[in-house]
Amino acid sequence: DIQMTQSPSSLSASVGDRVTITCRASQSIRTYLNWYQQKPGKAPSLLIYAASSLQSGVPSRFSGSGSGTDFTLTISSLQPEDFASYYCQQTYSTITFGQGTRLEIK
Amino acid sequence: EVQLLESGGGLVQPGGSLRLSCAASGFTFSSYAMNWVRQGPGKGLEWVSLISDTGDNTYYAESVKGRFTVSRDNSKNMLYLQMSSLRAEDTAVYYCAKDVRVTAVPWFDPWGQGTLVTVSS
Repeated sequence: DIQMTQSPSSLSASVGDRVTITCRASQSIRTYLNWYQQKPGKAPSLLIYAASSLQSGVPSRFSGSGSGTDFTLTISSLQPEDFASYYCQQTYSTITFGQGTRLEIK
Repeated sequence: EVQLLESGGGLVQPGGSLRLSCAASGFTFSSYAMNWVRQGPGKGLEWVSLISDTGDNTYYAESVKGRFTVSRDNSKNMLYLQMSSLRAEDTAVYYCAKDVRVTAVPWFDPWGQGTLVTVSS
């Protein structure tokens, strides 16, 4: 299976900060990469699909980039509701997720 | 509005069986593949199983292969996960998720609210 490695595993930031989360695949997955947000006690929700396409209804402060093995999720200006966990997912072959990044308030 | 509602979770002893259900509404269920994903307590997401739109093709994570069986009833807009030979490590919240393939890249949207399965004696 393709291994997905996210970094950092946890991150403390302040409202208004610019934050970047990275996801690295163990082999090329082209742009078969999605990002999800999960708030405590809730189901994950889709943020970004196909590496860089913003899901309808998701604020434009979220963006994704990358292809091949290296991907990033960027939040341009953190809002209080963005403090959550974030997961990358590859759908190039047998589906796997990154281990998650927990974004906490500083 | 697209909705997915899981049910059937609960406490089961090691070696036991349980069937999860996922009721779908708000979309043409028979046109979409569906997935099961689980999340152990305090852990990350783990894909469990995929079933094609017709139910003809099924796929499983190695960790559940031979023990879990996914199925669907398109006449009832229902998705199922039959779990047997359950182990403590199967303890998790189980989510169903709609498989979207508008382009070549699939993604999951939306997800149900989840149902908790606890395997313990």
